[in-house]
Amino acid sequence: KAGVTQTPRYLIKTRGQQVTLSCSPISGHRSVSWYQQTPGQGLQFLFEYFSETQRNKGNFPGRFSGRQFSNSRSEMNVSTLELGDSALYLCASSLGGDGPTYEQYFGPGTRLTVT
Amino acid sequence: GNSVTQMEGPVTLSEEAFLTINCTYTATGYPSLFWYVQYPGEGLQLLLKATKADDKGSNKGFEATYRKETTSFHLEKGSVQVSDSAVYFCALIGSARQLTFGSGTQLTVLP
Repeated sequence: KAGVTQTPRYLIKTRGQQVTLSCSPISGHRSVSWYQQTPGQGLQFLFEYFSETQRNKGNFPGRFSGRQFSNSRSEMNVSTLELGDSALYLCASSLGGDGPTYEQYFGPGTRLTVT
Repeated sequence: GNSVTQMEGPVTLSEEAFLTINCTYTATGYPSLFWYVQYPGEGLQLLLKATKADDKGSNKGFEATYRKETTSFHLEKGSVQVSDSAVYFCALIGSARQLTFGSGTQLTVLP
């Protein structure tokens, strides 16, 4: 079974621009979560989507948004980029139910650099 | 809220040494606990998990036991290899379905 895929793997953007990242979950997984990883703040939860609905949201400004499509693929968007948005953005998929299905499987990440 | 505290790194060991990485947590209810590993330039790989008190998760020679009385989930391996060099993250997930991670522990194994 194919793992979680993320595109693009690397991205360089200029401050003030916007960016869209894509994530394709493991086949059959209905939940997609997004995390930001930085050296200073570590791994932080952005949001989770399940069946095309945002089910949970972390403490990030409204510039960070996402969506999920009917095939469970997800995108996240960051508008008005700031230098501090430079990070590794990780997508994780899971079946989305309770108990053991909580386990999340991660993609390789998208490395975003804002200049 | 939930939190995870991990042993500060970096940790440097010789091949075949015994490894322990301490992890304690604070959470309401009954979280599930995980160890993830991250190799350079890659995403996180699920190493092992435990979903209830006294469960022992194990994989590739690594083990961790869910200790509710001490709110701990320490990672151990009896004999590390150079290929185990990576960053290890302890994490929990509760009713909110979001992973809360520790700060990560960099492990370097020397031949």
